[in-house]
Amino acid sequence: ETGVTQTPRHLVMGMTNKKSLKCEQHLGHNAMYWYKQSAKKPLELMFVYNFKEQTENNSVPSRFSPECPNSSHLFLHLHTLQPEDSALYLCASSRDGDEQFFGPGTRLTVL
Amino acid sequence: EDQVTQSPEALRLQEGESSSLNCSYTVSGLRGLFWYRQDPGKGPEFLFTLYSAGEEKEKERLKATLTKKESFLHITAPKPEDSATYLCAVTGTASKLTFGTGTRLQVTL
Repeated sequence: ETGVTQTPRHLVMGMTNKKSLKCEQHLGHNAMYWYKQSAKKPLELMFVYNFKEQTENNSVPSRFSPECPNSSHLFLHLHTLQPEDSALYLCASSRDGDEQFFGPGTRLTVL
Repeated sequence: EDQVTQSPEALRLQEGESSSLNCSYTVSGLRGLFWYRQDPGKGPEFLFTLYSAGEEKEKERLKATLTKKESFLHITAPKPEDSATYLCAVTGTASKLTFGTGTRLQVTL
């Protein structure tokens, strides 16, 4: 595997479900990011991790819970989501805050 | 607060018809301006980084330029495979990447 991978690519969940999104980077980068992309809106930064430490939480609701066990893996745990949380969730990585490289995204639908 | 505005929102070109996409920005202490290409249902693909006014970078039919207030992505003799959404983003002293809403480009035969 090369670059940034994300699983699953598509996810449909009910509002009472608990699910997790996974991201893995194979680039040797030290920083990892979660973004939300909704139609007609700019990418919204959700969380930033640098060397496994969370350095930014962009006022994200607590129903989104990130986890970064090491510099190569990043998770986004989801629980009691709302329909308006339906979007494309993108993971990215970078070295020292330089250009970010993105994964293919997880298309999330909340029913 | 850093801001990025891209225009036009959508652009339709015929194959071979050159044009430019605009990215206007306001940022505190520009550290870098980035161009990405995004195909439907996929993550953004990195194209260029520009660091200072006057800088230019090229890749195949694409050329990015930078001034103190805006950046242009020039597309020369585009082909249908250049159809995509092109995103512009900036990072400043806050070290946070701020994106525009993108220009959706369609190139027809």
